[in-house]
Amino acid sequence: GQQLNQSPQSMFIQEGEDVSMNCTSSSIFNTWLWYKQDPGEGPVLLIALYKAGELTSNGRLTAQFGITRKDSFLNISASIPSDVGIYFCAGQVQKLVFGQGTRLTINP
Amino acid sequence: SAVISQKPSRDICQRGTSLTIQCQVDSQVTMMFWYRQQPGQSLTLIATANQGSEATYESGFVIDKFPISRPNLTFSTLTVSNMSPEDSSIYLCSGHVGFEAFFGQGTRLTVV
Repeated sequence: GQQLNQSPQSMFIQEGEDVSMNCTSSSIFNTWLWYKQDPGEGPVLLIALYKAGELTSNGRLTAQFGITRKDSFLNISASIPSDVGIYFCAGQVQKLVFGQGTRLTINP
Repeated sequence: SAVISQKPSRDICQRGTSLTIQCQVDSQVTMMFWYRQQPGQSLTLIATANQGSEATYESGFVIDKFPISRPNLTFSTLTVSNMSPEDSSIYLCSGHVGFEAFFGQGTRLTVV
């Protein structure tokens, strides 16, 4: 079946640093979605990507749909304490396939 | 976008009993799904909730254990039947608006 490899699994950074995480797959996807999940909550959609090569920003977040349609990355610039959480990528053809998540911890 | 409400938000249940989780969407969505998520882990798809017909289950999940209903385009239920401690998990529903999936806040189930 389809699988996504998300890396890194965890990150420990200082407040103000930039963050980068990515997802790769051997399968092609039509859509890439990036989510953030806080403890006790459901995933919240951050960015949706629809076309190969597409680069989309949402405030301090920037994500790209890889040109091969098999990968995507998410960057967070100038991290702040509320960025703490677990970030998931998800690739979609008909159903969503989720990455394993990246747990972000920020030292003030 | 869509706002998705799940009830209950958490429950503690005795083994051998069943729990029905409700998912209500504030607008009509094309597709609804049910997921299971162990704490600190990723989401695993249980099934696609089909409006007016039987749900489509993923490998490892069966209708007798996880019966699903979807009577209309804005509501679905998932029942966790004959529960055991291994069923302790977070259960999430999602609804799609176009190609974007929106999630409820989840139901944290503990089976004792």
